[in-house]
Amino acid sequence: GDSVTQMEGPVTLSEEAFLTINCTYTATGYPSLFWYVQYPGEGLQLLLKATKADDKGSNKGFEATYRKETTSFHLEKGSVQVSDSAVYFCALRNAGNMLTFGGGTRLMVKP
Amino acid sequence: GAVVSQHPSWVICKSGTSVKIECRSLDFQATTMFWYRQFPKQSLMLMATSNEGSKATYEQGVEKDKFLINHASLTLSTLTVTSAHPEDSSFYICSAQKGASGDYEQYFGPGTRLTVT
Repeated sequence: GDSVTQMEGPVTLSEEAFLTINCTYTATGYPSLFWYVQYPGEGLQLLLKATKADDKGSNKGFEATYRKETTSFHLEKGSVQVSDSAVYFCALRNAGNMLTFGGGTRLMVKP
Repeated sequence: GAVVSQHPSWVICKSGTSVKIECRSLDFQATTMFWYRQFPKQSLMLMATSNEGSKATYEQGVEKDKFLINHASLTLSTLTVTSAHPEDSSFYICSAQKGASGDYEQYFGPGTRLTVT
């Protein structure tokens, strides 16, 4: 079945540091890939997505590129802020329109 | 927009009682709604999928008699936790899918934190 693996956290960075959160997936066919963010006590918000190979999703300074050859969708941001502290989930959606989530990575950004 | 609300945002109940959680799509009609459960510091676990007017499809291991799902209209789905026990304490999140015009994005509600004492 489909699965998503992302790096375990927590990831602790200083403000303005570079962020990478790794995500790899296993799926049949050609899934769409997503990054969601969850702030404390809240539900999930879609951060960015990519629907086909080599697509780059971007939003709020975050970006991720759909790499079919490495089955990866790593999340990056050049300069993190304290307000980026949250849990980030990588997910895929396959033909059945169901989402499969990774385990989540907690990001903590210190001033 | 695509706004999904949940009510209540948090609830505390006594063991043995039942609790109902509502999920509403505020500005669109949702052909499908999903219910997830999230344990502390863990990922989301899909509990069930519900389509308006039909019975919910439960994931393996989820007790359908304990977690009653009703999707009575295109804008409302409810999850009732029956005879709640402390192990049912969790964060419950719903999502709604438009389905129309090929829009299969899931729009998530803010979640409901249930504590059973």
